[in-house]
Amino acid sequence: AQSVTQLDSHVSVSEGTPVLLRCNYSSSYSPSLFWYVQHPNKGLQLLLKYTSAATLVKGINGFEAEFKKSETSFHLTKPSAHMSDAAEYFCVVSGNTDKLIFGTGTRLQVFP
Amino acid sequence: DARVTQTPRHKVTEMGQEVTMRCQPILGHNTVFWYRQTMMQGLELLAYFRNRAPLDDSGMPKDRFSAEMPDATLATLKIQPSEPRDSAVYFCASSLGFEAFFGQGTRLTVV
Repeated sequence: AQSVTQLDSHVSVSEGTPVLLRCNYSSSYSPSLFWYVQHPNKGLQLLLKYTSAATLVKGINGFEAEFKKSETSFHLTKPSAHMSDAAEYFCVVSGNTDKLIFGTGTRLQVFP
Repeated sequence: DARVTQTPRHKVTEMGQEVTMRCQPILGHNTVFWYRQTMMQGLELLAYFRNRAPLDDSGMPKDRFSAEMPDATLATLKIQPSEPRDSAVYFCASSLGFEAFFGQGTRLTVV
C-alpha cells in the first residue's frame, strides 16, 4: 500500500525567504512521487515528479525536491518565495500502479 | 494546447436530483481518474479507468455513484439521487504513464 504524510498543514514565509514543505512517503514498491500545486479555485498543476531517475528533481517556478530513500522523504524547496507561490501544495505517491494517492495538502502563505 | 475539459464547471441542484458530470480526457491518454475534493476529506480517489475499463472504484459509494467511459473521449460520473453531503469539487484527470493532467473541476452544490 502507498501513502504520503505532509507534515505541515500550514506554512508561512516572508517573500524572498526559503520555502520548505515536508513530505514523507510509504510504499511497498519503488515509488513515483509528485508535487502538485493548486491555486485558489483552480485545478491542480504538476510542479515536478520523481520516477527513479535523478534523486534531485527540478520543477517549474524554481521549485525542486530531493528523493531520500533512507529517510522516506520527498521535501519540496524553493530558495526564495514569491507572493505568487501562495497556494495549496500536494505531495502524491504512486506505486506499482498509476493510481495517485494524495497527501492532505500544505497551505503556503507568503507575506510581503 | 492539450487539456482535460470538464463540464459543467458549476452545478447547483436539489437533493434527490440526478447529476451528471462529464470529462473529456486529453486525446491519446489511456488512463482517466475521478477525484472528489472537500475541506474535510481533501482529495479522494473515486474511480479510475485504463483503456476505458474500470480498474478501481472502491472509493466510490456504489449505491448512488456510477462512473463510465462510453468512448475514449468521454468519461462520466453520475450521482443519483444526489444528497447535500455530495457537495464538493469533482476533478477528472487523464494520463499516459505517470504524469496526470487535471481538469478545472466541477463544483457541485446540492441543496
